[in-house]
Amino acid sequence: ILNVEQSPQSLHVQEGDSTNFTCSFPSSNFYALHWYRWETAKSPEALFVMTLNGDEKKKGRISATLNTKEGYSYLYIKGSQPEDSATYLCAFPPGGSQGNLIFGKGTKLSVKP
Amino acid sequence: DGGITQSPKYLFRKEGQNVTLSCEQNLNHDAMYWYRQDPGQGLRLIYYSQIVNDFQKGDIAEGYSVSREKKESFPLTVTSAQKNPTAFYLCASSSDGSNSPLHFGNGTRLTVT
Repeated sequence: ILNVEQSPQSLHVQEGDSTNFTCSFPSSNFYALHWYRWETAKSPEALFVMTLNGDEKKKGRISATLNTKEGYSYLYIKGSQPEDSATYLCAFPPGGSQGNLIFGKGTKLSVKP
Repeated sequence: DGGITQSPKYLFRKEGQNVTLSCEQNLNHDAMYWYRQDPGQGLRLIYYSQIVNDFQKGDIAEGYSVSREKKESFPLTVTSAQKNPTAFYLCASSSDGSNSPLHFGNGTRLTVT
């Protein structure tokens, strides 16, 4: 059974702290790895779609790295702000089929002012 | 502005009634998807469609039906055969291919009593 695991399940940090969390996915037949941010009362928003081993993507204070050989991706947030509070989801399309995107359960980040 | 519109935001139905959730997009995306979220679980795929007049079952299609008569619209019907219909339903769309990010609607929370 193909599975996408995210850790930790939840995270509480103070404003200004830097933080990171993990997404683990099957390393065979890799096509892409998606990251989404889901704020309360809003729709999930795409952050990154990563395709190359060793790739690093950045969007403001948020960055992500990818290791397709060992099957993990890290999401980093530098200098967390209260507006970063959200659930961060990763998703993996086994076999390259977008229609079969498998989502992890997410990491819920809370940033205290 | 381009986007995905789901309606209604909240829906209440009596057990045994079919109910249809609306999803409309003006992003000119070929692919559309329906996901279900339950507490403590990742998003699970119900149905997806990669082109008009064609759709495929996802992991949890039993008790649901869809149609794709127009590119812009992908309504989901929750039938009385769905044993646990109370959930949060998200619609999404994307350009084709595993490298394309999903664009999500704001969701519909369905409560069946």
